[in-house]
Amino acid sequence: QQQVKQSPQSLIVQKGGISIINCAYENTAFDYFPWYQQFPGKGPALLIAIRPDVSEKKEGRFTISFNKSAKQFSLHIMDSQPGDSATYFCAASIGGYNKLIFGAGTRLAVHP
Amino acid sequence: DGGITQSPKYLFRKEGQNVTLSCEQNLNHDAMYWYRQDPGQGLRLIYYSQIVNDFQKGDIAEGYSVSREKKESFPLTVTSAQKNPTAFYLCASSGEFGETQYFGPGTRLLVL
Repeated sequence: QQQVKQSPQSLIVQKGGISIINCAYENTAFDYFPWYQQFPGKGPALLIAIRPDVSEKKEGRFTISFNKSAKQFSLHIMDSQPGDSATYFCAASIGGYNKLIFGAGTRLAVHP
Repeated sequence: DGGITQSPKYLFRKEGQNVTLSCEQNLNHDAMYWYRQDPGQGLRLIYYSQIVNDFQKGDIAEGYSVSREKKESFPLTVTSAQKNPTAFYLCASSGEFGETQYFGPGTRLLVL
């Protein structure tokens, strides 16, 4: 019930391509879904977040697509760049001031 | 310059020794969190605190202890009871509405 399942574990994309990372959850009480980006040896940084009342949110080259009925959400990185090479984590939580449940992470490598 | 600081960046622990990791924030956030990250894995919650002088166990609290005597500080002690302490430790805080968590740069703990 509390798990967030993330796939793929690793992803290789050519420069300029689209990177797609998927997450699935079981607990329908989750109401906040952030994505974090982490570079090696650094703390994760919030990239973009969505609530279940919208199906898509876009910020620059990053888009979250949310499918409430399927209990799935995904991160799309358009025009992927070598600087996007990092580990990406999806997460979910219930309300504010509550713990985030993280996916296992996806290591993205964008080749020039 | 607001943010979360963690010290030290690297910490070495000897057998049977307790060590304390520091986390300080000047964001005026009410909630603070400690996560553990193992290689190739997601983040697992150790402890969290929503208010001064109060804290709750996360998913993997055994072998760890915390205190929250000041709003800006949330130190984590890794006790000798934690048999596998080698990991990357991340501190986070969240403010208004409590949902978005901001992470510090992390402390890498190694066992001698």
